Amino acid sequence: DAKTTQPTSMDCAEGRAANLPCNHSTISGNEYVYWYRQIHSQGPQYIIHGLKNNETNEMASLIITEDRKSSTLILPHATLRDTAVYYCIVRVPTGAQKLVFGQGTRLTINP
Amino acid sequence: NAGVMQNPRHLVRRRGQEARLRCSPMKGHSHVYWYRQLPEEGLKFMVYLQKENIIDESGMPKERFSAEFPKEGPSILRIQQVVRGDSAAYFCASSPPGGRAKNIQYFGAGTRLSVL
Repeated sequence: DAKTTQPTSMDCAEGRAANLPCNHSTISGNEYVYWYRQIHSQGPQYIIHGLKNNETNEMASLIITEDRKSSTLILPHATLRDTAVYYCIVRVPTGAQKLVFGQGTRLTINP
Repeated sequence: NAGVMQNPRHLVRRRGQEARLRCSPMKGHSHVYWYRQLPEEGLKFMVYLQKENIIDESGMPKERFSAEFPKEGPSILRIQQVVRGDSAAYFCASSPPGGRAKNIQYFGAGTRLSVL
């Protein structure tokens, strides 16, 4: 699986859009980008994933650059409950494989 | 549609005792994963199982740890002769057997093991 790089921490004001970047410059053609988050003391929660097209669901949007070397997770209207550690994971989706969690980005939403 | 169920949520053991952690996957899921999170550290993969088979145990400590996922019943992570260093949060995840959704793992709330 390709290595990912994320900022250690970020802050965002409540109600504003939170944009979390992830670099994955060594991503290969068949690897997807997955995002999970872990709210304090809870189990990780799947957010979204994508290959090369931008994706949107009820939780977030995922923007992947054309060269696929980086991506941004967007929480459009952050709330206090979005405070969590966010993990960007790159992996091949074929078969069921382990997830390799890095250090992630600790996002703090401020009132 | 119940999610991944783990029990107990909290488990206290004395050094040398055995710990048994249970995980019931989501309905229809046949793949189970166990992860461990030591205090102030990241999540680390331990083992991946399908019904009655261990597929990948590359993250399991060589001694005292074992896992099973029987044909009937929950998956069990067993830690024999626990030591203080085993104190951690243990998370179970499950995924379905086929289709695009097989790539997504859904996690339980975890079992917090404290070894006295």
